Amino acid sequence: AQSVTQPDIHITVSEGASLELRCNYSYGATPYLFWYVQSPGQGLQLLLKYFSGDTLVQGIKGFEAEFKRSQSSFNLRKPSVHWSDAAEYFCAVGAAGTALIFGKGTTLSVSS
Amino acid sequence: DAGITQSPRHKVTETGTPVTLRCHQTENHRYMYWYRQDPGHGLRLIHYSYGVKDTDKGEVSDGYSVSRSKTEDFLLTLESATSSQTSVYFCAISESTGGGQPQHFGDGTRLSIL
Repeated sequence: AQSVTQPDIHITVSEGASLELRCNYSYGATPYLFWYVQSPGQGLQLLLKYFSGDTLVQGIKGFEAEFKRSQSSFNLRKPSVHWSDAAEYFCAVGAAGTALIFGKGTTLSVSS
Repeated sequence: DAGITQSPRHKVTETGTPVTLRCHQTENHRYMYWYRQDPGHGLRLIHYSYGVKDTDKGEVSDGYSVSRSKTEDFLLTLESATSSQTSVYFCAISESTGGGQPQHFGDGTRLSIL
């Protein structure tokens, strides 16, 4: 069965510092992978997605993610965090014929 | 942004009362989903629909029913609300299930059951 693990419940980074949010998935075939962001009181917004091909994918708001099949990981990165990036981030895995499976989320706080 | 409207946005009701949440889309997407979001649990799928009158259960379907009589509307009903159903409910839509198609989300309904 598919599953997604986000090992970090809460992360705090300083404004201007780099960010990496971890995501590990379990799936037998090549997965479709997604990162979403949720600001307080809002729905989830798609940041980026991986289907196939280049393992480094670019998303909105300066985010990128790298798919590593050998590590079953799809970590989200940003070189320099802004205070407005404080939010909750969800990793999700999809396969044909099923709804997306979401991780439990990582809350990002940004300190000044 | 995808045209998804959830109503109501907030609701407070009492245990044992029926509650219906509505999701309306203007994208003509075939697939629609209902999730609940709770602290420490992330998003959990309640029910989804793959077409008019075609629905299926998700991970946490007990106590919930759904209906889809038109492509654009997907209703979630709590027949007799319980306090454990206090949550934030999100509707999502997609052109296809999983695969390469992302899901797009509404802004949520905050439901409190006293």
